[in-house]
Amino acid sequence: QSALTQPASVSGSPGQSITISCTGTSNDVGGYNYVSWYRQHPGKAPKLMIYDVSNRPSGVSNRFSGSKSGNTASLTISGLQAEDEADYYCSSYTGSSPPYVFGTGTEVTVL
Amino acid sequence: QVQLVQSGAEAKTPGASVKVSCKASGYTFTSYNMHWVRQAPGQGLEWVGIINPSSGFTIYAQTFQGRLTMTRDTSTSTLYMELSSLRSEDTAMYYCVREEGFISAPTKIFQHWGQGTLLTVSS
Repeated sequence: QSALTQPASVSGSPGQSITISCTGTSNDVGGYNYVSWYRQHPGKAPKLMIYDVSNRPSGVSNRFSGSKSGNTASLTISGLQAEDEADYYCSSYTGSSPPYVFGTGTEVTVL
Repeated sequence: QVQLVQSGAEAKTPGASVKVSCKASGYTFTSYNMHWVRQAPGQGLEWVGIINPSSGFTIYAQTFQGRLTMTRDTSTSTLYMELSSLRSEDTAMYYCVREEGFISAPTKIFQHWGQGTLLTVSS
């Protein structure tokens, strides 16, 4: 099972919106609505930002939204803020071995 | 609140073994599946395995077959991950992660993460 494909980096100015893509296959992203997104600041553990494609955990800002079309999931961050500068990873359930696969990671820079 | 506190950093030589712990608190330990996820320096996340703390049932990523053992101690609410025949490629931060949803209805949501344990394998 290969890692899901994400762009290496995405940047935007404060207040702008950015979108990070996460491309898999019909065996993972396309086959299940179990896509999650994590934010990771340097030296910290990942933090869950989106689960089940488009749901936000309690306490996560509504500036974060998720969607999916076919084998590609997307995370959109609107009203970009300095605190959003971090690495972002997607993940998907696969139903096979291994049961979970993560994305290659995207570094978000706030200009 | 849910807390997952992992053991400290480890430095091992190739061929050695390591046992990392993860002490859980703030919830019923045997009610939630637990996972281990690792991250090599500057790299992405990699799923390592899952353990049902109630039954002890485990599933490991094929990458680790034969080298990985995940166990738990229900009396102390502690998970253990033992990796043997260590290689330099095992150098990584290892995280324990609690899956949301009771074991009877797993959600595949990784909400609660430990602080991580850095394993360095070098001669």
